[in-house]
Amino acid sequence: AQSVTQLDSQVPVFEEAPVELRCNYSSSVSVYLFWYVQYPNQGLQLLLKYLSGSTLVESINGFEAEFNKSQTSFHLRKPSVHISDTAEYFCAVSSTSYGKLTFGQGTILTVHP
Amino acid sequence: NAGVTQTPKFRVLKTGQSMTLLCAQDMNHEYMYWYRQDPGMGLRLIHYSVGEGTTAKGEVPDGYNVSRLKKQNFLLGLESAAPSQTSVYFCASSSSVLGYTFGSGTRLTVV
Repeated sequence: AQSVTQLDSQVPVFEEAPVELRCNYSSSVSVYLFWYVQYPNQGLQLLLKYLSGSTLVESINGFEAEFNKSQTSFHLRKPSVHISDTAEYFCAVSSTSYGKLTFGQGTILTVHP
Repeated sequence: NAGVTQTPKFRVLKTGQSMTLLCAQDMNHEYMYWYRQDPGMGLRLIHYSVGEGTTAKGEVPDGYNVSRLKKQNFLLGLESAAPSQTSVYFCASSSSVLGYTFGSGTRLTVV
């Protein structure tokens, strides 16, 4: 069985400050890891994913996440956030790149001016 | 546009009523899923299908039934709705080549 724990339910931050959203997982098999973002009243959008290869993965809008196998973590970071980054972020794990996903509880990121 | 379409987008049901949520995808994906999203609980898998004519239970299947008679459609049924089924329901499809695509969600309220 797999599980995902997002350590912070809410993260308030000021605009242009750095942010880290924490995600830990447990699994008895190899994992594929994902971060999804959900803007208010919208569906889920894939932000970035780790499938294999380099442990540092990046998104097109400045987010990055690092797969740390020894610490079973996949934390999401951004060096400077914008108001438009306000959303709920979900970490997810799967045993394949296309199979059923197990989600964390979500972290609401609120960026204040 | 290619993608996953969910109908309806909103619905209010009375306790004990039944309804069916429809999910349609036009990407020829083999795998399809139904999740429910509740505040503070993330998304939880209800049922899924790995191909036409197949279905399997997920994490929270009780009170729901599904069918996948055609590859492009995945139906989620509530036989006797309960207030605990008030939620936002997301359908998704996936393939080994293209990965996951989510629908825009169905907001269901059971009163």
